Amino acid sequence: EVQLVQSGAEVKKPGESLKISCKGSGYSFTSDWIGWVRQMPGKGLEWMGMIYPDDSDARYSPSFQGQVTISADKSISTAYLQWSSLKTSDTAMYYCARHGGSGVPQLDYWGQGTLVTVSS
Amino acid sequence: DVVMTQSPLSLPVTLGQPASISCRSSQSLVYTDGNTYLNWFQQRPGQSPRRLLYEVSNRDSGVPDRFSGSGSGTDFTLKISRVEAEDVGVYYCMQGTHWPLNTFGQGTKLEIK
Repeated sequence: EVQLVQSGAEVKKPGESLKISCKGSGYSFTSDWIGWVRQMPGKGLEWMGMIYPDDSDARYSPSFQGQVTISADKSISTAYLQWSSLKTSDTAMYYCARHGGSGVPQLDYWGQGTLVTVSS
Repeated sequence: DVVMTQSPLSLPVTLGQPASISCRSSQSLVYTDGNTYLNWFQQRPGQSPRRLLYEVSNRDSGVPDRFSGSGSGTDFTLKISRVEAEDVGVYYCMQGTHWPLNTFGQGTKLEIK
C-alpha cells in the first residue's frame, strides 16, 4: 500500500527557517516524482513543485520559485520542503503527493498534510 | 500558463439528485502521446484531497461508479449521478498535461440543500 507520511504541525515566527518532511513507503520511492501542494486557510489547492528523488531533479511553479526549496534523501525515502525565512503569508496546510502512473505522471496518493503557522 | 476555470463555485444539491461540475482549460489538454491528463479530486472537510478520476474518465480504485468524467480538448465535466451525504466537500479539476506545471481549478463546493 502506497503511503506518504508527513511531519507534524509547526508554529514558527516570521524570519525563522523551517523544513518539513514527507516519507514514502509501499512503492519504489526513487521511481516517482513527489510533489508539494499548498492550501492557504479557506482557499484552494496550489501546486508548488516536485522532485525526482533518484537524482534530486526539482521543478518549481513560477509562483514558488525562489520562495521554497524542495529536496529529497532517497536513502531514507523522504522528501522535504523548506523555507529559509518564513513570512506570515506562508501560513497554510502543505501536502505532499506522489506523481505516479504511466504516461505523464499525475498526482495520485497524498500525505495527511502538515499545518504550518507563522505568527509573531 | 494554463488556467483552469471551474463552474459553479458553489453547488447546493438535494440528496439523491444528480450534480455536474464544469472545468475549462485555457489551452488544450491533449498531450503529444494522445492522452488527456485531466484529473478530478475530492476534498472532504478536514481531509486530504483524494483523486477520483484520471485521464478525464478513469475512476480510481474504490471510487463509486456514481462518479463519472467526460470531455475533451478544453472542456470537461464531472458528474455525480445521485448525490449522497458523503459527497459533501470541495471538488477540484487539475491538469497535468503541461508538464512540469500542474494547475488546479478554483474548486467547487458541493453541499446538501
